[in-house]
Amino acid sequence: RKEVEQDPGPFNVPEGATVAFNCTYSNSASQSFFWYRQDCRKEPKLLMSVYSSGNEDGRFTAQLNRASQYISLLIRDSKLSDSATYLCVVTYRNTGNQFYFGTGTSLTVIP
Amino acid sequence: ETGVTQTPRHLVMGMTNKKSLKCEQHLGHNAMYWYKQSAKKPLELMFVYSLEERVENNSVPSRFSPECPNSSHLFLHLHTLQPEDSALYLCASSPGPGYNSPLHFGNGTRLTVT
Repeated sequence: RKEVEQDPGPFNVPEGATVAFNCTYSNSASQSFFWYRQDCRKEPKLLMSVYSSGNEDGRFTAQLNRASQYISLLIRDSKLSDSATYLCVVTYRNTGNQFYFGTGTSLTVIP
Repeated sequence: ETGVTQTPRHLVMGMTNKKSLKCEQHLGHNAMYWYKQSAKKPLELMFVYSLEERVENNSVPSRFSPECPNSSHLFLHLHTLQPEDSALYLCASSPGPGYNSPLHFGNGTRLTVT
């Protein structure tokens, strides 16, 4: 069983649309949660951390549901530049330095 | 962002060559990582160093040999690689366990084995 699971997509949405991604994790001893963005042939870059109460950064909103063991990312008013792969990342209290990555969800925003 | 710097950016090597990838972090972090990402595949963790001690070795073939001389520098020595080792090799750093802080990645080295 994978530690972190994501729907790989692809998600193809028109400009201006709202799109949401979910990510589930398997270990209840979870500690930290992050969303990364990866453009084609580039390194992953931190998009936002995910806090217990949920958090927002401009058009991006991240939510955490510990009871159901999932995190979500909502993108409002999609831009062409949002096209990328979005990676869910989880760390656990009992695994020290390890960061567990999902396989990523591919998003293409269409003009 | 120049927090984590990797060299070279691109590398082409034959199967009999020996080369090294270099990573340097300027963030004062205690942990450094090597990841491999093959085309259209997820990130694979290769090695983790914490305070210069290797704490994770993810069943990586011995033709990949990491070295961490201090907490700011990390190397990946390559020898007798196979064509299937062609991939993007990413270095990353983090403050270390106990911190709720993310990974910071370098730009990566795109390796082609011919």
